[in-house]
Amino acid sequence: AQKITQTQPGMFVQEKEAVTLDCTYDTSDPSYGLFWYKQPSSGEMIFLIYQGSYDQQNATEGRYSLNFQKARKSANLVISASQLGDSAMYFCAMREPQWGGSYIPTFGRGTSLIVHP
Amino acid sequence: DAGVIQSPRHEVTEMGQEVTLRCKPISGHDYLFWYRQTMMRGLELLIYFNNNVPIDDSGMPEDRFSAKMPNASFSTLKIQPSEPRDSAVYFCASRTGTSGGAPYNEQFFGPGTRLTVL
Repeated sequence: AQKITQTQPGMFVQEKEAVTLDCTYDTSDPSYGLFWYKQPSSGEMIFLIYQGSYDQQNATEGRYSLNFQKARKSANLVISASQLGDSAMYFCAMREPQWGGSYIPTFGRGTSLIVHP
Repeated sequence: DAGVIQSPRHEVTEMGQEVTLRCKPISGHDYLFWYRQTMMRGLELLIYFNNNVPIDDSGMPEDRFSAKMPNASFSTLKIQPSEPRDSAVYFCASRTGTSGGAPYNEQFFGPGTRLTVL
């Protein structure tokens, strides 16, 4: 079974509007973390935001916020006031503990976001 | 810090040739990961090291793939012999092992090596 599901292969949004990228996850461990990464056309992977399973409040980083709904096992990324430079692939990832105590992330298939003027 | 360094950035080779990809993790990071990214399969974890020791290589596709980490500042991923289906972008990433480092233990990715096997 997929541990991380990103159901939107592609999204379009108009500049200055907000957009939500969906991510659902599957784990039975109470301790886990969720990440979002951005991959622009240049190829590098850029860390955006993190949400821990025990965090009481939704994470925010500038224009990025994470809509964390634990009961639904969803961790959607919200980008406010989209900019042309936000056009990129976005990956959701989850880390959960492995044997030995290390945390290894699993990545979703990604969502391609295109921001048009 | 210079970030995770990978070389070469681009590699074009012919089927059957040996390919070696190199990675220098961020100093002080004790986890190192090798990923492969393709359109068909997305981002796949190939292998990861903790303190230079390979911990899980279950993602390595075949015996043609091997990875080493002789010291804390260098790792290689070797494909021998290479095949056209190995064409992909290979990422190296590193992170700390405790929350005393990067706040969330997020992985820091290198720029990737784009491999094309003809």
